[in-house]
Amino acid sequence: NAGVTQTPKFQVLKTGQSMTLQCAQDMNHNSMYWYRQDPGMGLRLIYYSASEGTTDKGEVPNGYNVSRLNKREFSLRLESAAPSQTSVYFCASSPGQPYSYNEQFFGPGTRLTVL
Amino acid sequence: EDKVVQSPLSLVVHEGDTVTLNCSYEVTNFRSLLWYKQEKKAPTFLFMLTSSGIEKKSGRLSSILDKKELFSILNITATQTGDSAVYLCAVMEYGNKLVFGAGTILRVKS
Repeated sequence: NAGVTQTPKFQVLKTGQSMTLQCAQDMNHNSMYWYRQDPGMGLRLIYYSASEGTTDKGEVPNGYNVSRLNKREFSLRLESAAPSQTSVYFCASSPGQPYSYNEQFFGPGTRLTVL
Repeated sequence: EDKVVQSPLSLVVHEGDTVTLNCSYEVTNFRSLLWYKQEKKAPTFLFMLTSSGIEKKSGRLSSILDKKELFSILNITATQTGDSAVYLCAVMEYGNKLVFGAGTILRVKS
């Protein structure tokens, strides 16, 4: 039982390059989330998927797209990376509806640097 | 705009001290308040609080919520060097979205 896994762990991109961050969970959770964490700012929600087949914008969606590939996998794509997207990216999952207690479980993070 | 404010931003204590971390919030559709501990990598879940005045306890850590005054505290007694971490407070809104505070950096010196 691996929980939430993310790949890659580290990535360096040049401005304008594209890449996809992968996330998978093996807890049979309905809901999945992508956050970014910048120094002094806590975690900010980029996109989330309340259930398979649905995705919604969070607080900071500009410059990102997501795909909920199936119940297990939720990917985050940067189409044209910018230095402002240098950050640590966390994926999380939670049981979702109809469950009442919905703490989120986090993956180990991807450290992305855009030059 | 929804916001979660944690204080202090950072704290240095000696082993054996007791610390109190604060979290205040202004969130439109409050469901619950969560505390996480973050060491080098992923945040790990500590507590979820949904009702005022009911203390949650786990070992040396405890937490309580005041929904009237819109704040929560996290207490750590008899601190150890292993308690050194960033402690994150987050409020869950309807839709199960989390709004995080900036965190409190705790350093426990031996």
